[in-house]
Amino acid sequence: TQLLEQSPQFLSIQEGENLTVYCNSSSVFSSLQWYRQEPGEGPVLLVTVVTGGEVKKLKRLTFQFGDARKDSSLHITAAQPGDTGLYLCAPSLSGGSYIPTFGRGTSLIVHP
Amino acid sequence: DTGVSQNPRHKITKRGQNVTFRCDPISEHNRLYWYRQTLGQGPEFLTYFQNEAQLEKSRLLSDRFSAERPKGSFSTLEIQRTEQGDSAMYLCASSATGYRGTEAFFGQGTRLTVV
Repeated sequence: TQLLEQSPQFLSIQEGENLTVYCNSSSVFSSLQWYRQEPGEGPVLLVTVVTGGEVKKLKRLTFQFGDARKDSSLHITAAQPGDTGLYLCAPSLSGGSYIPTFGRGTSLIVHP
Repeated sequence: DTGVSQNPRHKITKRGQNVTFRCDPISEHNRLYWYRQTLGQGPEFLTYFQNEAQLEKSRLLSDRFSAERPKGSFSTLEIQRTEQGDSAMYLCASSATGYRGTEAFFGQGTRLTVV
C-alpha cells in the first residue's frame, strides 16, 4: 500500500483568500482523482489527471499533476463559503485491480 | 436515475445487536464498493463487487462483517454483534467499469452509532 499524504490536514480561511492543498506519495501514479465531500454527503468527483505536468482548471479551482506523477496540488482562487468541505485525493497505481483509495483529506472551512 | 441510494441514513443500535445496511447503485453499474469513514479521515475501503462476485475484502472487514450483492443489483452490508468501535459513516459507491480513473459515484452514507 502506497504511503499517501495530504496536507494541510485542516485549513480555516476567510472568504476571498487563496489556498493550495497537496497530495504526495513516494509511488508513481497512473492517474489521480480529486474529490470533494461536503458535510453529510458522499464524495463527488472534481477532476481526473492522467499526464505528468498536466494542469486542469475548473472555474476557480486549478489542479496540477506533478511531472513525475508522484504528487498533485489543488489551488483555489478567491475561496467562497461554498468551497467548504473535505478535499480527497484518490490515486491509481499501475497493475492490480482498480479500487478508488483515498487519502486522509484536507478539511477546508471558508468563513464569510 | 437518482444516483446511489443508501438506507437507512442513520442507525442507532445497542452494542451486541446486528445491523444491516442497504445500497442501491446506479443502474447497470458493474462495480459496487463499500467504505467506512470516521471523523477526520478519508473513506477506508472495505470490500467491492464486480456484478454479484465479491472480489476483494480489506483486512478492516472482520468476521463480524458480511456483504452480499445478490443478482448484481443492490447490496447489503451486515455487522453482527456490533461494537462501539463500529460507529462510523458507511459509504457505498458504484462505477460503470473497473478501469483506472473511472468515476466512483457515492451515496449519502449510513451513519451508525453504537451505544
